[in-house]
Amino acid sequence: DIQMTQSPSSLFASVGDRVTITCRASQSLGSYLNWYQQKPGKAPKLLIYALSTLQSGVPSRFSGSGSGTDFTLTISSLQPEDFATYYCQQSYSTLYTFGQGTKLEIK
Amino acid sequence: EVQLVESGGGFVQSGGSLRLSCVASGFTFSNYEMNWIRQAPGRGLEWVSYISTSGSIMYYADSVKGRFTISRDNAKNSLYLQMNSLRADDTAVYYCARGSPFDPWGQGTLVTVSS
Repeated sequence: DIQMTQSPSSLFASVGDRVTITCRASQSLGSYLNWYQQKPGKAPKLLIYALSTLQSGVPSRFSGSGSGTDFTLTISSLQPEDFATYYCQQSYSTLYTFGQGTKLEIK
Repeated sequence: EVQLVESGGGFVQSGGSLRLSCVASGFTFSNYEMNWIRQAPGRGLEWVSYISTSGSIMYYADSVKGRFTISRDNAKNSLYLQMNSLRADDTAVYYCARGSPFDPWGQGTLVTVSS
């Protein structure tokens, strides 16, 4: 199975900050990398798919990049509604796997 | 509106069985692959199982292989997860999700396995 490793596990930041979350895969994924946002008590929501394509309705302050085994999710200017947990997920193999999550908290 | 609604969760003793259902609406269910994903309390997301549009191809995480069975009824716009030989570490909120990438997700149904 493809292992996904996210860092950091938790992150403290302030409104207006630029934030980057990284995700590393155990093998090359091409563009088969997706990002999800989950708020407490809610189901996850798709943010970015195919490495860098924003899901409909997702603000442009979110962006995804990377290649091969190393990927990043960037939030250019944090808003209060962005404090949540973020997960990367590979769809290169149908034995899908997620990163362990990054909890983004208010400083 | 595209919607997925899970049901069937509950409390079960270790070694017991449970069948989860997920009813889809707002889209042509038979055109989409489907998945089950779970989240143990306070933990991250774990993909559990996949089924193809026709139901002929299924995949499972190693943690549930041989114990869980995914199925679908396209005529009823429904996805199922039969869970047998349940263990305490199967305790989680179980979500159904459409396609890959996973979008949308249902609201989840809680399964609690008592040891």
